[in-house]
Amino acid sequence: EPEVTQTPSHQVTQMGQEVILRCVPISNHLYFYWYRQILGQKVEFLVSFYNNEISEKSEIFDDQFSVERPDGSNFTLKIRSTKLEDSAMYFCASRREGQGTTEAFFGQGTRLTVV
Amino acid sequence: GENVEQHPSTLSVQEGDSAVIKCTYSDSASNYFPWYKQELGKRPQLIIDIRSNVGEKKDQRIAVTLNKTAKHFSLHITETQPEDSAVYFCAAPRSGNTPLVFGKGTRLSVIA
Repeated sequence: EPEVTQTPSHQVTQMGQEVILRCVPISNHLYFYWYRQILGQKVEFLVSFYNNEISEKSEIFDDQFSVERPDGSNFTLKIRSTKLEDSAMYFCASRREGQGTTEAFFGQGTRLTVV
Repeated sequence: GENVEQHPSTLSVQEGDSAVIKCTYSDSASNYFPWYKQELGKRPQLIIDIRSNVGEKKDQRIAVTLNKTAKHFSLHITETQPEDSAVYFCAAPRSGNTPLVFGKGTRLSVIA
């Protein structure tokens, strides 16, 4: 069964450093998302991406964040200057269609720890 | 934008009893309501979903009901088992389309 894959599974970084989280969505999916989950809290939407551009973003997704689809398979989330409060689990998700009636598949997540 | 409220935040049941988790949503244009199960340290995984053209859907011990007029939907788990213990999230799409907005989650504990 195809699945969304994320690397690395765990990333530790110094405050102020840049990090790139990587995702490979399911191959025939067209809509891609990043969510984050602070330990013990709910899953929060960050950004959605379609046709090589951001289609929607939340208030969490400020200028420190960016996304990119550098080739036909990878979808990355960059945090330019990490803060302690960026520590969370980051989930990538993809969907075959953009309509709200199709399932979103989640990757296994990247645990980001900012020290 | 969509606002999803979920309750209770924690729920403990005896093995074999039923569990019910409820969610309300704000956007009347929302038309898709999934439920995700998240085990500790793992990704959210879809367990059941319902679309707005039906009022109830069942899959073995799991069922979801939808009341579009009242804008709420519920997850029902019957004959609970210890492996049902997890955090359950409801979700609804923003403005009738993607992306999903999640509720705050319900930590279900099934006591053997």
